[in-house]
Amino acid sequence: AQSVTQPDIHITVSEGASLELRCNYSYGATPYLFWYVQSPGQGLQLLLKYFSGDTLVQGIKGFEAEFKRSQSSFNLRKPSVHWSDAAEYFCAVGAASGAGSYQLTFGKGTKLSVIP
Amino acid sequence: KAGVTQTPRYLIKTRGQQVTLSCSPISGHRSVSWYQQTPGQGLQFLFEYFSETQRNKGNFPGRFSGRQFSNSRSEMNVSTLELGDSALYLCASSYRTRDSNTQYFGPGTRLTVL
Repeated sequence: AQSVTQPDIHITVSEGASLELRCNYSYGATPYLFWYVQSPGQGLQLLLKYFSGDTLVQGIKGFEAEFKRSQSSFNLRKPSVHWSDAAEYFCAVGAASGAGSYQLTFGKGTKLSVIP
Repeated sequence: KAGVTQTPRYLIKTRGQQVTLSCSPISGHRSVSWYQQTPGQGLQFLFEYFSETQRNKGNFPGRFSGRQFSNSRSEMNVSTLELGDSALYLCASSYRTRDSNTQYFGPGTRLTVL
């Protein structure tokens, strides 16, 4: 079964500083990987995804992520954080089941606080 | 295109009651998945519906059920509510092709069980 680990429960950064959120996954085949962001009381918004090809993927709001197969990682980065980036971030791996279904397995999330 | 819509946004129920939540997917999307989000357990997969058939179900009791209609709209039902069912219930839709399994989420329904 697949799993996702986000080692950092809470990260605080100053506005304008760089950001890296860590994500490690466990999956037997080539994974579909996603990062979602959730503001308080809201649903999940897709930031970016990796299916195949270039291991550095660009997303919305200036975010990017790099897939490293050797490290089973898919870390999210942003060069300069804005106060509006304060939210909770979820890494997810998508996998097909033998029943022809497809589901996402999420990490526990990393809450990002931004100091003005 | 309109996004995924979920109704109602908020619900308050008492133990033992049942509840039905509704999800309308993005136009053209045929797959609808449901997830439960709680502070303790995080985001957990409930089930997926595709072409009106339940394709997979997560590790939840039989009190949790769902269905999908011919227009891809989906409902989930929770019977005999327990306090632990209080959660944010998220619906996600996707095209569900081999190369496009990206799931787009709705705003969720916040269920509170008293």
